[in-house]
Amino acid sequence: GQNIDQPTEMTATEGAIVQINCTYQTSGFNGLFWYQQHAGEAPTFLSYNVLDGLEEKGRFSSFLSRSKGYSYLLLKELQMKDSASYLCAVSSGAGSYQLTFGKGTKLSVIP
Amino acid sequence: GAGVSQTPSNKVTEKGKYVELRCDPISGHTALYWYRQSLGQGPEFLIYFQGTGAADDSGLPNDRFFAVRPEGSVSTLKIQRTERGDSAVYLCASSPLRGHTDTQYFGPGTRLTVL
Repeated sequence: GQNIDQPTEMTATEGAIVQINCTYQTSGFNGLFWYQQHAGEAPTFLSYNVLDGLEEKGRFSSFLSRSKGYSYLLLKELQMKDSASYLCAVSSGAGSYQLTFGKGTKLSVIP
Repeated sequence: GAGVSQTPSNKVTEKGKYVELRCDPISGHTALYWYRQSLGQGPEFLIYFQGTGAADDSGLPNDRFFAVRPEGSVSTLKIQRTERGDSAVYLCASSPLRGHTDTQYFGPGTRLTVL
């Protein structure tokens, strides 16, 4: 079966750095995605990892270790607008690119 | 428009009724996906189209759910004999289908409420 775990909620201070972890157990692996979802809105793409290591994109970085089934999303210089849910998703199906999502981590950024 | 659009944005119906939800993908995107998201959960896969055909419908919960994409662009998700448990946000996503590195772009969703 497919299982993706991430913390339910996190709180961090404006200007700080926060790391959101994701562990996964899937029957296959084609890549791991991070999406941001503000309340009542569509998920928006943040990052993609298929090889081990760190991918950096501005204030956001994502790390992957395939041997450990582990990823994290790092958000730097937090802003109030970063308050949202962060979804970890794995593409694992052979011939189908469906994503299996975790339940999401609700991040609250406080002044 | 540039993004994925979905109509209606909200749909309230009564138990037992039939509903149709529409998705307009990004122009030129070959792949189209339907997901369902319940409160406090991540999106859950329903069905995937590659062109006009349903390449993977393994996520449809039962035979009350059906989806079509007759011309390889717009898709309609159809739910018969709706039940209260069908209440959720139904998300549509599309991608250009360039392999497993494909990024899916989501629409704003249709919030379905079954009374």
